[in-house]
Amino acid sequence: SQKIEQNSEALNIQEGKTATLTCNYTNYSPAYLQWYRQDPGRGPVFLLLIRENEKEKRKERLKVTFDTTLKQSLFHITASQPADSATYLCALDRDTDKLIFGTGTRLQVFP
Amino acid sequence: DTGVSQDPRHKITKRGQNVTFRCDPISEHNRLYWYRQTLGQGPEFLTYFQNEAQLEKSRLLSDRFSAERPKGSFSTLEIQRTEQGDSAMYLCASSLGTGPRADTQYFGPGTRLTVL
Repeated sequence: SQKIEQNSEALNIQEGKTATLTCNYTNYSPAYLQWYRQDPGRGPVFLLLIRENEKEKRKERLKVTFDTTLKQSLFHITASQPADSATYLCALDRDTDKLIFGTGTRLQVFP
Repeated sequence: DTGVSQDPRHKITKRGQNVTFRCDPISEHNRLYWYRQTLGQGPEFLTYFQNEAQLEKSRLLSDRFSAERPKGSFSTLEIQRTEQGDSAMYLCASSLGTGPRADTQYFGPGTRLTVL
């Protein structure tokens, strides 16, 4: 069955550093990969989408890479701030509306 | 605030009772989705609608679960004879689309269900 793995342990980094989160998947060939941010008690908020034929996507301080050979996506937040502290979810789909989410990685940015 | 609203935000019920949740999508969105999220996990897809038609249901959606979108606007999710395993956050999302894959899904704040 499809499996999406994200670091289950929290990622703690110092303000100003670059945070790198990982999303690995098996038994799946996604056409699209998305990253969402989720704060406690709230719904996920869409951040970035990358297609299978794209290697990299950027938006302000965010960068996503997608390696379909390694079956991995990396999500980078540069110049991280305490306000970036949240859980980050990756989600995959094969050109349908049925998103398959990973378990999420909690990021904590310390001043 | 994404514009998707859900009601109630919290629901505590006793095992065996029925509960109903409501979702109001962004007004121009024709697609509406229901997900369930348990603690420490990502959201799991339950079902989705295009206008009033229910297009797909997950195997997670047992016979005790039913979802409707009667006029293609708001949607309700009903759980009959609730069980403790139903305790979760129920998330609604909406999007705009005509092809096999719609645009970005916008999530509501969720309804947290606790079954005692």
